[in-house]
Amino acid sequence: NAGVTQTPKFQVLKTGQSMTLQCAQDMNHEYMSWYRQDPGMGLRLIHYSVGAGITDQGEVPNGYNVSRSTTEDFPLRLLSAAPSQTSVYFCASRRQIERSPLHFGNGTRLTVT
Amino acid sequence: AQKITQTQPGMFVQEKEAVTLDCTYDTSDPSYGLFWYKQPSSGEMIFLIYQGSYDQQNATEGRYSLNFQKARKSANLVISASQLGDSAMYFCAMRGDSYNTDKLIFGTGTRLQVFP
Repeated sequence: NAGVTQTPKFQVLKTGQSMTLQCAQDMNHEYMSWYRQDPGMGLRLIHYSVGAGITDQGEVPNGYNVSRSTTEDFPLRLLSAAPSQTSVYFCASRRQIERSPLHFGNGTRLTVT
Repeated sequence: AQKITQTQPGMFVQEKEAVTLDCTYDTSDPSYGLFWYKQPSSGEMIFLIYQGSYDQQNATEGRYSLNFQKARKSANLVISASQLGDSAMYFCAMRGDSYNTDKLIFGTGTRLQVFP
């Protein structure tokens, strides 16, 4: 059981480049989300989805796009990378019940130069 | 607005001793859930324990327990019999309103170091 799988683990981009961070889960979880972790700031929600075809913005959505065409996959797109997007990105999923915790992927460390 | 505050940037504890990591929260939602996560130096986020706002008893999971004081809006994590492997960052988080959201608000974390 793989859980939540994120790829790549590391990525370096130049300012203005675009890329997609991949996220897949095999637990049939309804909810999926993306967080970024910056030093001294904890984790902040970028976008989330409560089911296929449904997405919503979190706390820091600017510069990012998401889509949810299947239950399993929830890619995060950086449209035009900026140095301020240098961060560690976590994908997470959970079941649609109140007490369900988030299950996190292992993270993607992104550096924008 | 919802907010989580962890006032201890770093804590030290000797092996086999107990340690309490503080967490206070602010919300106007009548129903909410509180979570604690552990992040070792390897970087993954590990779920430890959950407390619901209407739970009658404090949550416990093995060596982890939650000292939940609703009136004070605090949800402190207690780790008993600390082990060297407990050295990590610990994050308190809250999900409010209802289960139909993925908006988990995190604190800034506490770095725990366990020494022999």
